[in-house]
Amino acid sequence: SAVISQKPSRDICQRGTSLTIQCQVDSQVTMMFWYRQQPGQSLTLIATANQGSEATYESGFVIDKFPISRPNLTFSTLTVSNMSPEDSSIYLCSVTPGAKKETQYFGPGTRLLVL
Amino acid sequence: AQSVTQLDSHVSVSEGTPVLLRCNYSSSYSPSLFWYVQHPNKGLQLLLKYTSAATLVKGINGFEAEFKKSETSFHLTKPSAHMSDAAEYFCVVSDRLGSSNTGKLIFGQGTTLQVKP
Repeated sequence: SAVISQKPSRDICQRGTSLTIQCQVDSQVTMMFWYRQQPGQSLTLIATANQGSEATYESGFVIDKFPISRPNLTFSTLTVSNMSPEDSSIYLCSVTPGAKKETQYFGPGTRLLVL
Repeated sequence: AQSVTQLDSHVSVSEGTPVLLRCNYSSSYSPSLFWYVQHPNKGLQLLLKYTSAATLVKGINGFEAEFKKSETSFHLTKPSAHMSDAAEYFCVVSDRLGSSNTGKLIFGQGTTLQVKP
């Protein structure tokens, strides 16, 4: 398994501003992912954070809105840009240790409220 | 394409009675299936996983799930519910490209388990 931490754990932001969320893992992992969980909804994958290259975004998510960095094998950031109330969600990072890419472990999430 | 359908959005049981959370999957290949639990204001915790070994999978906290290929089901059960089991439960399938695992997960819509005293 892996121990994952996220910062901040929660935040309240004004519309039009940006927030950067950090994800730190206690071991080197190949794959890191960012998910969004809107209120009362399931999880939706935003992107795969690739070490040393651009993130791979899922349909409906774009780099200008959700820029992602992955400078090394233990750390990634997700920025939510030019926020609107519709961005109010829980943002979770996850990792897949090991070569088999079978099991994902999730961070505690960042609870974002945009006013 | 892979998908999962959780058949109940909300399940309510009394403490001490059995729990059944239903999940059907669709997959072109032998799937990897998971159940995750999310307690209020907490992250996701892996309960159990099926990856083509034994069809009856035992997880944490007394939960288990049975993979039934003929029914394309992966229902989660527990013999006796505890108040602390009240949470959101997600059935999840691994995404595949051809026969290879992409590493991505596809989530069901979730089932809210309520446990009454």
